[in-house]
Order: sequence, then structure tokens, then C-alpha cells
Amino acid sequence: EIQLVESGGDLVTPGGSLRLSCAASGFTFNNAWMNWVRQAPGQGLEWVGRIKSKTAGGTTDYAAPVTGRFTMSRDDSENTLFLQMNSLKTEDTAVYYCATGAFDFWGQGVLVTVSS
Amino acid sequence: DIQMTQSPSSLSASVGDRVTITCRASQDISDYLNWYQQKPGKAPKLLIYDASSLETGVPSRFSGGGSGTDFTFTISSLQPEDFATYFCQQYEILPFTFGPGTKVDIK
Repeated sequence: EIQLVESGGDLVTPGGSLRLSCAASGFTFNNAWMNWVRQAPGQGLEWVGRIKSKTAGGTTDYAAPVTGRFTMSRDDSENTLFLQMNSLKTEDTAVYYCATGAFDFWGQGVLVTVSS
Repeated sequence: DIQMTQSPSSLSASVGDRVTITCRASQDISDYLNWYQQKPGKAPKLLIYDASSLETGVPSRFSGGGSGTDFTFTISSLQPEDFATYFCQQYEILPFTFGPGTKVDIK
């Protein structure tokens, strides 16, 4: 059974940093491209970024609002995806989901609140 | 960026009704379109990919169609568990973008 489990969500002050993790199981993680998607309270879905598999180059792509502040990485030995979030803004408050490359499997989501 | 629009933004329907939602892309996305169902407090669930392909395990009352810029999503006979919000998403060009959603509630 494919599972994605996010962790690391928290309340952080503006300008702060946070690292989210997404533990994957049930599939060959090192071959998988992975995404982060977020959803602000009561709002729609926003794609955050994507990381390719290492065999595809391991490169990353980001949405404009997070470029330069967020960094995706992966540890294939631990089947874990990461999202390092720096210089957080109040508008980054959202539930963050990790999802497989084709968006066919999603984690349960983790809440990040940016507030003073 | 490709803008995705959906209509209607919400609708009220009864069990057994046929429901159709439309999604429009601001430029040609071929058939690189997903449809999702999301219930409150839950992650989105992929229902349709490549505009018209049914995801494994999804009931056949759900269907999708269209290509280019105009797409439809249909529930042929609405069931109680189908009351939810539905989103379209394009994955032709980065950044991937989602429609604003259509909330389907009980009449």
C-alpha cells in the first residue's frame, strides 16, 4: 500500500524557517518524481514545487511565490522528501501536502501557520 | 502561467442527479488535465487523469472529456458520498495550476 506521511508542521513567526518531511512507503521512491502542494485555509490548491528522481537529474522546479525561499530535497536512502521553508510570510500559512509525480497519491497534509 | 477557470463555483443537486462541471484553460493544454475530489479536512483524491481516463478504483459514474482548452467532468448519478469540492488541474506546463473548485452540495 502506498503511503505518504507528512510531518514538521508548526506555528512560526514571520521571517522564520521550517522544514517539512514526507515519509514514503509502498513504492520505489528513488524512481519517483515528487510534488508539494499547499492549500491556504478555506482556499483552493496551489502547486508549490516538484523534484525529479535522481536518474532524471534530481532537479527542482518551484512556483513563483516560493522561488528563492523554499527548497525541495530528497533522501532516497530514507525514502523521504523534504521542503525547507525560509523567510516565511503570513501568506505561506496553509496545509502542505506531498504528492507523487502524477498526483495519484497524496499525504494527509500538515499545517504550517505563520503568525506573530 | 496557465489560468484555470471552473463553472459553476457551486451547485446544489439531489441524489441521482446528473452533474456536469466545466473547466477552461487559458491556453491549449492538450489532454494534460486532472480532476480531483476533496472532502473537508481530507487530501484531494485523483479521479480522472489525461482528461478522460478513470483512475483505478474510481466508480464509473465519474467521467471526463474535452481537450485543448475546454473540459467537462460529469457525475452520471450523484451519490451521497459525492458531495464534495471538485478541482481541475493542468499539468502540461509549469507551474502546474488548479481551478478554483466547484462545491457540490445537497439540494
